[in-house]
Amino acid sequence: TQLLEQSPQFLSIQEGENLTVYCNSSSVFSSLQWYRQEPGEGPVLLVTVVTGGEVKKLKRLTFQFGDARKDSSLHITAAQPGDTGLYLCAGGSDLLSSGGSNYKLTFGKGTLLTVNP
Amino acid sequence: GAVVSQHPSWVICKSGTSVKIECRSLDFQATTMFWYRQFPKQSLMLMATSNEGSKATYEQGVEKDKFLINHASLTLSTLTVTSAHPEDSSFYICSAKHTGKNTDTQYFGPGTRLTVL
Repeated sequence: TQLLEQSPQFLSIQEGENLTVYCNSSSVFSSLQWYRQEPGEGPVLLVTVVTGGEVKKLKRLTFQFGDARKDSSLHITAAQPGDTGLYLCAGGSDLLSSGGSNYKLTFGKGTLLTVNP
Repeated sequence: GAVVSQHPSWVICKSGTSVKIECRSLDFQATTMFWYRQFPKQSLMLMATSNEGSKATYEQGVEKDKFLINHASLTLSTLTVTSAHPEDSSFYICSAKHTGKNTDTQYFGPGTRLTVL
């Protein structure tokens, strides 16, 4: 069973502060996705990283995939109240089973971020 | 692009009745769709993988006779919660993997809130 440890689980910060969320695993993933979810809605994809060591930037968000493709981080610079939400990392893997391919996403437990004005 | 819809967005039913939830990929074909369950302030828990034209693959601990999945076309998967009970109340989210793209990315629907009285 693949596990993805996400930390911190809860984070409450003031507007303007920086923060980093981590996802770690002992397993290798073919890709790593980061999602943001608002209450009562489905997760919205922020980014997909597929190459070890890859860094992607999305405005104030910086995503990094570890060299060994076992870990990832999300860094937010100068957080704003609009960044409040549940951030989820998910590792993609294709586990060959007796019936063929068994692709699935393994989700971390999520980080509930609150940015106070 | 890559929009996934769910219907209904919320449903309230009496204990013992069955409820069907639809998941549609609106602008792409999805050979594989996924059904997740989410409890408040928690991460997503994969229930089953739905493959077009074949039987769904259920995760350990998920009763296949209680959660019936049908993936009859490349754009539609349905989840039927049979003989629903209050403990089945939850937020059910589907996702779809884009058949035409060689990527692990899943696109999520907006979710369906099920309340069983």
